[in-house]
Amino acid sequence: AQSVTQPDIHITVSEGASLELRCNYSYGATPYLFWYVQSPGQGLQLLLKYFSGDTLVQGIKGFEAEFKRSQSSFNLRKPSVHWSDAAEYFCAVGALGGATNKLIFGTGTLLAVQP
Amino acid sequence: GAGVSQSPSNKVTEKGKDVELRCDPISGHTALYWYRQRLGQGLEFLIYFQGNSAPDKSGLPSDRFSAERTGESVSTLTIQRTQQEDSAVYLCASSLHPSQPQHFGDGTRLSIL
Repeated sequence: AQSVTQPDIHITVSEGASLELRCNYSYGATPYLFWYVQSPGQGLQLLLKYFSGDTLVQGIKGFEAEFKRSQSSFNLRKPSVHWSDAAEYFCAVGALGGATNKLIFGTGTLLAVQP
Repeated sequence: GAGVSQSPSNKVTEKGKDVELRCDPISGHTALYWYRQRLGQGLEFLIYFQGNSAPDKSGLPSDRFSAERTGESVSTLTIQRTQQEDSAVYLCASSLHPSQPQHFGDGTRLSIL
């Protein structure tokens, strides 16, 4: 079965500290992987995506993620967190170009940033 | 240009009533998706439209849910005889092409009393 697991429901970090949000997936085909961020009352904004090629992808707002096929993981990282990064983060997997393009989302990780 | 627009932003209705949610995708985007987000959960896929192809309705939870799309423009999601478990945020997304990332609207928060 296709699934995405984000093991951390809630994470708190201090401003300026580094961040890593975990994402593991189970997918039968070559996955296409995404990280989205959702601020309260708003829709989802795409942070970054992995389709193919270099397994370390750079996104907006200083985020990056690394695709590790052997570990079925696509963890999101940021070297220094800003207070404005407080939000909910969703990892998603899809199979683009098939009969449908639905994304399968994880349950999200809520990030709190301490001053 | 404008992003994905959804209306209304909030909807409160009584159990048993019908509701209609609207999505205006980004102009030129051929693919349109509806998702449901229950409190504290991730997004659940509901339905997908691509051009004039038959929609993928595999995510619709019951026959009370239906959706339409006119060409490559506006889509409406209709929920008949609403139940309390339908309370959620309904998100619409569009993409230029199925191989491109999805862009999301701000959602409609639906509350069933």
